[in-house]
Amino acid sequence: EDKVVQSPLSLVVHEGDTVTLNCSYEVTNFRSLLWYKQEKKAPTFLFMLTSSGIEKKSGRLSSILDKKELFSILNITATQTGDSAIYLCAVDHNTNAGKSTFGDGTTLTVKP
Amino acid sequence: DVKVTQSSRYLVKRTGEKVFLECVQDMDHENMFWYRQDPGLGLRLIYFSYDVKMKEKGDIPEGYSVSREKKERFSLILESASTNQTSMYLCASSPSDGRGNNEQFFGPGTRLTVL
Repeated sequence: EDKVVQSPLSLVVHEGDTVTLNCSYEVTNFRSLLWYKQEKKAPTFLFMLTSSGIEKKSGRLSSILDKKELFSILNITATQTGDSAIYLCAVDHNTNAGKSTFGDGTTLTVKP
Repeated sequence: DVKVTQSSRYLVKRTGEKVFLECVQDMDHENMFWYRQDPGLGLRLIYFSYDVKMKEKGDIPEGYSVSREKKERFSLILESASTNQTSMYLCASSPSDGRGNNEQFFGPGTRLTVL
């Protein structure tokens, strides 16, 4: 059975802290791993990772994939209250339908 | 801008009622998905579709059906709503292979309460 596990499930930090969110997976037909951010409404796309060891970066957020150890991390530096959200990790399957398996998410709360 | 819209933001129905949740996307995407999201359980896939009139069961299809008569529209149907179907329902779409990133674009969600 395909499985995506995120840790921690929740995290509370103060503004300025750096956080690392983890995602491990066991899936058949891996194609890519995606990170999403969900605030009050719909998840929005952050990164897609397909190759090991290549860091993707967007401002204070960065992510990297290890296909040998089957995990990914999402780093957020100098956190701000606007980073408070649920962060979802998903693994995209190598099928025509673009099906993804999602983890349970990490709820990040950044306090002023 | 990719837009995925859902027919209702909030919906309250009674046990046994038939419920229709509509989703429309305007980006000519082949793939469409219905998820439900519950606290501590993440996003769970109910059904998905990769073409008009094509549908595939996801991880939790029991109690649900879907319809895709047009490429831009994907409907989720609860034949006889039950209280355990109270949840947030999210629709998403994505392009097929070779058309860019594989990310899914989500609608704003419908919070369904079944009394």
